[in-house]
Amino acid sequence: AQKITQTQPGMFVQEKEAVTLDCTYDTSDPSYGLFWYKQPSSGEMIFLIYQGSYDQQNATEGRYSLNFQKARKSANLVISASQLGDSAMYFCAMTAGGTSYGKLTFGQGTILTVHP
Amino acid sequence: SQTIHQWPATLVQPVGSPLSLECTVEGTSNPNLYWYRQAAGRGLQLLFYSVGIGQISSEVPQNLSASRPQDRQFILSSKKLLLSDSGFYLCAWGEYSNQPQHFGDGTRLSIL
Repeated sequence: AQKITQTQPGMFVQEKEAVTLDCTYDTSDPSYGLFWYKQPSSGEMIFLIYQGSYDQQNATEGRYSLNFQKARKSANLVISASQLGDSAMYFCAMTAGGTSYGKLTFGQGTILTVHP
Repeated sequence: SQTIHQWPATLVQPVGSPLSLECTVEGTSNPNLYWYRQAAGRGLQLLFYSVGIGQISSEVPQNLSASRPQDRQFILSSKKLLLSDSGFYLCAWGEYSNQPQHFGDGTRLSIL
């Protein structure tokens, strides 16, 4: 079974500064994928970034980057130059195994608040 | 492009009443389909997934059931709702485990 742990219930950041949201995972499967989603107060789930377990380089998507440390089983999300619109709940999630059919296991989430 | 529709957006139901939430996907064929539930301020829990018409797998024992009568239609049902069924229900579709799932806008279900 897979497990995702997000230890920061809430984070605060000043506008235009960078922030790191922590995520650790646990799986015995050598093949897995790690995802970050953003959930605004409206409830929609917005995909941000993906990292595969065999990817050699850290994933980046615009202002989002994923700090993937395989040996430590961590997949932290870094948001650079925070904006007020980044205030939302952020979820780390993973899939594992060739027969997992893409089932996602989610962490408990981190609420990010960006201050002007 | 692919789109996913989920309705209704909000639903208030009495305890013991039936439930039917519908989700449809457009612009793709034979997608994997998923139902998740989110308790307030919590992460998403996978309830059901389907890899094809009529194929349903349940992840947790509960008062709910799911059906996939057509390739791009996924239905979440209950014969008698419990108070514990309250929550935010999200439908999603995906194709491969190394690609993101795409979510509907969700249904906020309140049981009175």
